[in-house]
Amino acid sequence: KQEVTQIPAALSVPEGENLVLNCSFTDSAIYNLQWFRQDPGKGLTSLLLIQSSQREQTSGRLNASLDKSSGRSTLYIAASQPGDSATYLCAVIKAAGNKLTFGGGTRVLVKP
Amino acid sequence: GAVVSQHPSWVICKSGTSVKIECRSLDFQATTMFWYRQFPKQSLMLMATSNEGSKATYEQGVEKDKFLINHASLTLSTLTVTSAHPEDSSFYICSASGGVDYGYTFGSGTRLTVV
Repeated sequence: KQEVTQIPAALSVPEGENLVLNCSFTDSAIYNLQWFRQDPGKGLTSLLLIQSSQREQTSGRLNASLDKSSGRSTLYIAASQPGDSATYLCAVIKAAGNKLTFGGGTRVLVKP
Repeated sequence: GAVVSQHPSWVICKSGTSVKIECRSLDFQATTMFWYRQFPKQSLMLMATSNEGSKATYEQGVEKDKFLINHASLTLSTLTVTSAHPEDSSFYICSASGGVDYGYTFGSGTRLTVV
């Protein structure tokens, strides 16, 4: 059974510092991995999608890497801003159309 | 592309009544949609997989007679909480896949409060 773990569970940094969020999964046979952001009381916003054949994806200040063999993904957020404060969730999927398996999330606070 | 609309965003109902939540894929067709429940400060818990034209698949421990799911078209799935009780109060979120290039898209969620 796939298990997804996110460390740390919570993170507080001063504005401007780079953020590094970790995600690990136990079964390397994944179809893709997706990073989401969730603001309090809101749904999930997709940040980055990494296909199993890819090693990284970038969007603006966000960069996500994927190392399938070691079962790890890292989300980097450069030059953090207070607006980056949210919970970040990673999720993996075993095959197209299958359900997502989520990590527990990392709650981020960026202090002005 | 790949937008999912969920309605209502919040609802308050009396104990014993039923509440319907809608999930629509606006710019794509979704043969499969997913329904999640989320408690405060916890991650999402998958309740069921909604399949267009067939019965939903429920996760272990989820009462299918309590949480009725209907996926009658390729763009609409509904979740009905029947005979709601205060313990059903929660945040419900749906999702669907817009295709290989889009991954999964989530609705904005529905806050249900049963009084």
